[in-house]
Amino acid sequence: NAGVTQTPKFQVLKTGQSMTLQCAQDMNHEYMSWYRQDPGMGLRLIHYSVGAGITDQGEVPNGYNVSRSTTEDFPLRLLSAAPSQTSVYFCASSPRLAGGPRETQYFGPGTRLLVL
Amino acid sequence: AQKITQTQPGMFVQEKEAVTLDCTYDTSDPSYGLFWYKQPSSGEMIFLIYQGSYDQQNATEGRYSLNFQKARKSANLVISASQLGDSAMYFCAMSGSNTGNQFYFGTGTSLTVIP
Repeated sequence: NAGVTQTPKFQVLKTGQSMTLQCAQDMNHEYMSWYRQDPGMGLRLIHYSVGAGITDQGEVPNGYNVSRSTTEDFPLRLLSAAPSQTSVYFCASSPRLAGGPRETQYFGPGTRLLVL
Repeated sequence: AQKITQTQPGMFVQEKEAVTLDCTYDTSDPSYGLFWYKQPSSGEMIFLIYQGSYDQQNATEGRYSLNFQKARKSANLVISASQLGDSAMYFCAMSGSNTGNQFYFGTGTSLTVIP
């Protein structure tokens, strides 16, 4: 299994440009999520999905869109990039377990995004 | 709402010594899980250890153990016999039964192991 993969690894954008960060997992996990990591802030949840066709907002959703057309893929779209979106972005997945969380999320390697 | 607090921005430990990284949490969920992750300078998130809120015993994984004190809402990570490779950022996280699989992270502790 490849686990959770993310592309690209690095990206430089100009303010106002749009782009899509790709995330895929091959573990048949129902739950997928996107985080951003900024210095001193830990990881903050942007959007998440509990299954194909179902998405919801996390703590910091503004400026980002997501969709989940398949179990495997969960792309994150920046519609009009801003310097405040300069960050490291992590995608994660986990199985959805009845009775509460018992298993960790599996993280992708991250995407470093710089918005000029 | 869930909240995770890590009050130690940076910690130093001598090689081969033990170190405790603090984590406190706040939740109203009746069932929840607590997790610790390591993030080395290379950037990947590495899962270390998990503690369920109804687990009777503290979790252990090799040199890692979790000192879980439910009444005090703390879930401290203990690393025994520190190694130079333990130098990294460490994040505490939790996920609750009422919030599905959403994870909430603390701000992290930077650990430096001194030879």
